[in-house]
Amino acid sequence: GEDVEQSLFLSVREGDSSVINCTYTDSSSTYLYWYKQEPGAGLQLLTYIFSNMDMKQDQRLTVLLNKKDKHLSLRIADTQTGDSAIYFCAESIDRGSTLGRLYFGRGTQLTVWP
Amino acid sequence: DGGITQSPKYLFRKEGQNVTLSCEQNLNHDAMYWYRQDPGQGLRLIYYSQIVNDFQKGDIAEGYSVSREKKESFPLTVTSAQKNPTAFYLCASSIWREGLDEQFFGPGTRLTVL
Repeated sequence: GEDVEQSLFLSVREGDSSVINCTYTDSSSTYLYWYKQEPGAGLQLLTYIFSNMDMKQDQRLTVLLNKKDKHLSLRIADTQTGDSAIYFCAESIDRGSTLGRLYFGRGTQLTVWP
Repeated sequence: DGGITQSPKYLFRKEGQNVTLSCEQNLNHDAMYWYRQDPGQGLRLIYYSQIVNDFQKGDIAEGYSVSREKKESFPLTVTSAQKNPTAFYLCASSIWREGLDEQFFGPGTRLTVL
């Protein structure tokens, strides 16, 4: 089966950059995603990247994709206490006409200290 | 306002009872999903549906059942056969096109078995 791995915890000081890393195993991934979950809430899509891209930037968020190493990262610049949450990496695999599905990592708990 | 609603937010059940969790969306999405979230385990897929009157088992379907009689609704029944039902349940819907599966999540239902 598909396997998406993330480290479980990350702590940073307010104003620093945060880098959350993810590795995946399926080389036929079509899109990779980053979701954010605040306590007691559902997941919110932050950004996604197509598998033939190597970088995507969206305001404070930068996604880097190394397809050769199957490594994805999310960098949050100028991290704020409001960024404290669980961040999930996910991949989707295009199987043609069959409905695809997402495969999620376990999530990285980001804690931002003032 | 378009979105996904789940009810109730908190649910308590006695052992041996079946319980049904509601999920409704007004986003006109064809696909809908149910996930279970346990601490440190990320999201695990229970059931998913691509179209009305059709659904497929996910990775942990045992002890659960679903129906998809309307496009807007995808209720999940947790049966007494589910050995450890206490968890946070998340419903999602998506538009799936050419490998991109952008899933939108509801706020979740926390089920506790007493």
